Amino acid sequence: NAGVTQTPKFQVLKTGQSMTLQCAQDMNHEYMSWYRQDPGMGLRLIHYSVGAGITDQGEVPNGYNVSRSTTEDFPLRLLSAAPSQTSVYFCASSFDSYTGELFFGEGSRLTVL
Amino acid sequence: SQELEQSPQSLIVQEGKNLTINCTSSKTLYGLYWYKQKYGEGLIFLMMLQKGGEEKSHEKITAKLDEKKQQSSLHITASQPSHAGIYLCGADKRGFGNEKLTFGTGTRLTIIP
Repeated sequence: NAGVTQTPKFQVLKTGQSMTLQCAQDMNHEYMSWYRQDPGMGLRLIHYSVGAGITDQGEVPNGYNVSRSTTEDFPLRLLSAAPSQTSVYFCASSFDSYTGELFFGEGSRLTVL
Repeated sequence: SQELEQSPQSLIVQEGKNLTINCTSSKTLYGLYWYKQKYGEGLIFLMMLQKGGEEKSHEKITAKLDEKKQQSSLHITASQPSHAGIYLCGADKRGFGNEKLTFGTGTRLTIIP
């Protein structure tokens, strides 16, 4: 089983460039979310979705866009990359927002120069 | 300041010894989740605690929730090299399940032979 798949695993961008981090899950999960992990800051929620067509902001949404056109996919778009967005990004999903277990992808390491 | 404090930040333990990791919240806890992260990988769900005084075990790992103290502890008995990694606690502070989890900064556990 693939679970939660994130691509790319590594990416280097220049300031001002845009890109999309892809996240796909094959478990028919309703809930999906994006977190970023920074040293000393823990995991911080960027955006989340409780179902197709529904998205909402998390703790640190500025500079990021999301959409959820299908149950399987939840891409994260960086509109104009900044060095402050250098981080490791994790996508997670669960059956619904009330079920305990979040399944995480392996992460995407982004460096913005 | 962090809403979820983990202690210690890092721990070096000899193989076979017991250890405890703590997670303390500055706000009311509706649920507490423990995850483990191997270096450079995603997070693996360990267990979820929802009721005050609840205690759960998985293999040699036991977690307890003290609702009054707004604290959870994770105890590993007879540690093994496979226990090495980063342990993170995640808190539900709104009663909405895992919709908007807040995570601690993690405890890095090293097991030495």
